[in-house]
Amino acid sequence: EAGVAQSPRYKIIEKRQSVAFWCNPISGHATLYWYQQILGQGPKLLIQFQNNGVVDDSQLPKDRFSAERLKGVDSTLKIQPAKLEDSAVYLCASTAGTGRNSPLHFGNGTRLTVT
Amino acid sequence: KQEVTQIPAALSVPEGENLVLNCSFTDSAIYNLQWFRQDPGKGLTSLLLIQSSQREQTSGRLNASLDKSSGRSTLYIAASQPGDSATYLCAGDGSARQLTFGSGTQLTVLP
Repeated sequence: EAGVAQSPRYKIIEKRQSVAFWCNPISGHATLYWYQQILGQGPKLLIQFQNNGVVDDSQLPKDRFSAERLKGVDSTLKIQPAKLEDSAVYLCASTAGTGRNSPLHFGNGTRLTVT
Repeated sequence: KQEVTQIPAALSVPEGENLVLNCSFTDSAIYNLQWFRQDPGKGLTSLLLIQSSQREQTSGRLNASLDKSSGRSTLYIAASQPGDSATYLCAGDGSARQLTFGSGTQLTVLP
């Protein structure tokens, strides 16, 4: 079983520029999550999709962050414009089921540095 | 709002030792408590998931317990090996219906 794929692995941009991250979940996984992990902290949920609908985006800074999941498969997360405090690892995760007791499968993340 | 705390932030033990990692949470309406492992530069790997109706879960040398009344969970690692070196994170799913993660315990097992 192929894992969750994310790209790029690393990205360096200047503040006020825009950036996009891509995630391909495990085949057949209905639920997809984007997390932000700042160095030394645990991941924080940004947005949760079930198929191609948004379940929870309460912690997504909607003035600069946007995410979509077309056709209920791949997803992209965009930041525009980026701030210094957006420097973090952005992790994508997926689960096979829609219940809360389905284990999460994480990708290796995209490390974003904003200078 | 759920808060999850892990102490200590770092732990170093000699190979072969049995050890316990601690996690405390504030939401008494915990739905499940999950333990993850994170290797440097990698994503998280799910280790154990304890549902609120359960008291413990076991996988190989790992055993996780959940005590809702005290707001605590522990991860027990038996006969530790250098390959167990990683950051271990716990996460609680409670009233907010989303996982809240602790900051992790960085474990180093010395050969």
